[in-house]
Amino acid sequence: NAGVMQNPRHLVRRRGQEARLRCSPMKGHSHVYWYRQLPEEGLKFMVYLQKENIIDESGMPKERFSAEFPKEGPSILRIQQVVRGDSAAYFCASSPISGRAGDTQYFGPGTRLTVL
Amino acid sequence: DAKTTQPTSMDCAEGRAANLPCNHSTISGNEYVYWYRQIHSQGPQYIIHGLKNNETNEMASLIITEDRKSSTLILPHATLRDTAVYYCIVRVTTNNNNDMRFGAGTRLTVKP
Repeated sequence: NAGVMQNPRHLVRRRGQEARLRCSPMKGHSHVYWYRQLPEEGLKFMVYLQKENIIDESGMPKERFSAEFPKEGPSILRIQQVVRGDSAAYFCASSPISGRAGDTQYFGPGTRLTVL
Repeated sequence: DAKTTQPTSMDCAEGRAANLPCNHSTISGNEYVYWYRQIHSQGPQYIIHGLKNNETNEMASLIITEDRKSSTLILPHATLRDTAVYYCIVRVTTNNNNDMRFGAGTRLTVKP
C-alpha cells in the first residue's frame, strides 16, 4: 500500500524560472493538502484541494503560487518566477474520501526546492 | 494559531518512557487532539489521535485529561530513532477547510 508520493524530491531553479511540484495521494484518498516549511521553521498550511476543486487556499501567497488537483493525475503546486525566498521544503498530505471528523492526514516525503 | 502549548525541548534516556505534555486549555468539545512527529527533515509522521478517551496503538499511548485541557503522549520504550520534533495539534475536521496548524513542537532527544 504505497504512501503519498512526491516528485521530484529535490528541485533546483534559478530566479525567475517556474517550479512544478507533484503529489500523488495515497490510494483511495481524494483530499490533498500542501504545506511549506522554511529552514528551521514549522510547517505552514498553504492549500487544501479535492478533485477539481480548491476548498481552502487561505495559506497560499496571493501571487505566483497556484495549485490544482485534476480529475486524472497528481496534484500540482506551481510557483512562477521563483525567488530565493521560495527555497523551502514543500510537503503534500492526503486524507480519505469521506472527510469525516477525525480524518487523518498522511504526509509525503517532501520536495526540497532550492532557488539559486 | 496552533492553540496548543508544548515544551520546547526534552531529553529521554534510551529504553525509558518518554512523556510529552501538551496544553490545550481552549479546546472545544468537537476538537480532536492529534500527534505527529518529524524526524530530521522527513515528512511528518502520524502517531495517534483522540477525542475524549485514552488511545493506544503500536507506536504510542495518548492520555487525555478528563477536562480535555491537556494531554500526554507516551512512548513506552524510547529508542534513538525516536529523536524527532513532536507536534500536538487540536483540530475539528470539516469538509470546508483545513485547520491543521503546526506549532513549534517539542524537540525530543533520546540519549544512549
